[in-house]
Amino acid sequence: DAKTTQPTSMDCAEGRAANLPCNHSTISGNEYVYWYRQIHSQGPQYIIHGLKNNETNEMASLIITEDRKSSTLILPHATLRDTAVYYCIVRVGGNTGKLIFGQGTTLQVKP
Amino acid sequence: DAGVIQSPRHEVTEMGQEVTLRCKPISGHNSLFWYRQTMMRGLELLIYFNNNVPIDDSGMPEDRFSAKMPNASFSTLKIQPSEPRDSAVYFCASSLRPAGADYGYTFGSGTRLTVV
Repeated sequence: DAKTTQPTSMDCAEGRAANLPCNHSTISGNEYVYWYRQIHSQGPQYIIHGLKNNETNEMASLIITEDRKSSTLILPHATLRDTAVYYCIVRVGGNTGKLIFGQGTTLQVKP
Repeated sequence: DAGVIQSPRHEVTEMGQEVTLRCKPISGHNSLFWYRQTMMRGLELLIYFNNNVPIDDSGMPEDRFSAKMPNASFSTLKIQPSEPRDSAVYFCASSLRPAGADYGYTFGSGTRLTVV
């Protein structure tokens, strides 16, 4: 599975959009981009995933560049409860492959 | 939907004792994963099952660790004998993963294991 690079930490003002970047320059054509987050002392929570098209759900939007070498997770209106570690993971979809977590980005939403 | 249920939530045991962690996946999910999390190593995948069959156990640290999934609704992770370095939070996750499609993993609340 391709490796990802994320900033170690980011801050965001409450009510503003949080844009979390992820670089995955070695991504293969059949690899998806997944985003999870982990709020302190809880299990990781699935947010969103995509292959090449932009995706949106009730939690967030995922923007993938045309060359697929990077992506951005957007939380449109961050709240204090969005403070968490956000993981960007690249892997093959379907029932093969493994979800391997890196160090992630610690997002601190401030009042 | 009760989600993925893990038990116990906390476990404190003495070095050398056997420890058994339990997981009940979401009904209908066909894949189950065991992870371990420590400050030093982050989240590590230990083993995963598809349709109750172990697929990849390359993350299991050593022979002291074993995992079973006797049926679609139950899995155990056993450590025998336990050592202080096994102290960590152990997460179980399940997912519906039909061939050619994928859905997110749902994680349980974890078991915090302390070996003294």
